[in-house]
Amino acid sequence: GAVVSQHPSWVICKSGTSVKIECRSLDFQATTMFWYRQFPKQSLMLMATSNEGSKATYEQGVEKDKFLINHASLTLSTLTVTSAHPEDSSFYICSAPGPNIQYFGAGTRLSVL
Amino acid sequence: GIQVEQSPPDLILQEGANSTLRCNFSDSVNNLQWFHQNPWGQLINLFYIPSGTKQNGRLSATTVATERYSLLYISSSQTTDSGVYFCAVEGLYNTDKLIFGTGTRLQVFP
Repeated sequence: GAVVSQHPSWVICKSGTSVKIECRSLDFQATTMFWYRQFPKQSLMLMATSNEGSKATYEQGVEKDKFLINHASLTLSTLTVTSAHPEDSSFYICSAPGPNIQYFGAGTRLSVL
Repeated sequence: GIQVEQSPPDLILQEGANSTLRCNFSDSVNNLQWFHQNPWGQLINLFYIPSGTKQNGRLSATTVATERYSLLYISSSQTTDSGVYFCAVEGLYNTDKLIFGTGTRLQVFP
């Protein structure tokens, strides 16, 4: 079946630094990808829609200058958390749509110290 | 936007028991999926079920689209069934964008 690879799976960084998370569709092309955030014991909240070759679409309340999304090719979307702070610590998950269903990456656990 | 509520929020079972998880959604949908999130956070597709009934081993799901709910049945539960179960829906006019429910946390004890 279709595979979505997400990297890194776990990252610790200092407050004020930037972190880049990659999401790749390995055996299919994705003109659209989605980025979700999940806080402990909560559901997944959609952050933004990544569009290949154009600007991302952000959900209400998500700071586009803080969460930079780039979708430069049909198989790669990146999420950069800029000037990370402890409150940005969370589990970030990407997905790409296939026929009928969404395929999800394994997630990235971000801890900001 | 669409609201997706799941019940119960928490469920504790002994191995071998059966359970029913419910997902209510507030508007018509194009797509409904059930997921199991394992302890490492990986989301595992269980069912794509915008309507009707499907079965896969000990799991089955039913969606009644006209009444805006879906049910996930787990029979003869095992400890490996533990984790969080999410339903997620795609609205009629938001192609591919999945909205997740509140989740049901299941713990199965031996």
